[in-house]
Amino acid sequence: NAGVTQTPKFQVLKTGQSMTLQCAQDMNHNSMYWYRQDPGMGLRLIYYSASEGTTDKGEVPNGYNVSRLNKREFSLRLESAAPSQTSVYFCASSPGSSEQFFGPGTRLTVL
Amino acid sequence: DAKTTQPTSMDCAEGRAANLPCNHSTISGNEYVYWYRQIHSQGPQYIIHGLKNNETNEMASLIITEDRKSSTLILPHATLRDTAVYYCIVRVAGNAGGTSYGKLTFGQGTILTVHP
Repeated sequence: NAGVTQTPKFQVLKTGQSMTLQCAQDMNHNSMYWYRQDPGMGLRLIYYSASEGTTDKGEVPNGYNVSRLNKREFSLRLESAAPSQTSVYFCASSPGSSEQFFGPGTRLTVL
Repeated sequence: DAKTTQPTSMDCAEGRAANLPCNHSTISGNEYVYWYRQIHSQGPQYIIHGLKNNETNEMASLIITEDRKSSTLILPHATLRDTAVYYCIVRVAGNAGGTSYGKLTFGQGTILTVHP
């Protein structure tokens, strides 16, 4: 099993550009999550999907949209990137209310 | 979810036990204590969790005080590869549409440095 995979690993955008971060898991987990981590800080929840077909806002959802495409895939979209969105983005999945499994992260720089 | 307080940093000698404390004085009866760690530039890794009783797995032990207001994560024989940021998280598991989920709120964590 690959676990949680994220693409791309690195990305540089100009202010105002859009992009979609992809996340997939092969563990048949119901729940998936998107976090961001700024330098020297803990992770903050952006959006989550408790189950296929549902999505909800987390702590810092402004400027982002998500799509739970199917049980395996959960994408994060930046419609108009801003320098404040420069961060490392982590996707995670969980089978239920127990531990979450994290992907390797996407390092995004917005100029 | 209850707020947690952890020391900013700790040191430990390789081969010795690392004891990482966490205060969660406002914890509710239905909140679990979770520990994760993040090795430099990687995604966080689950270590252990518990509700009331002490727990042990292949990675660590979790000791929760009787009043549940604090806990200690114990790495029994720390190695250099245990150098990481350790996060103590207290949370309630939620339910949506019949499927359980659990949101995690990460604080600053404790930077554990294991020395040779």
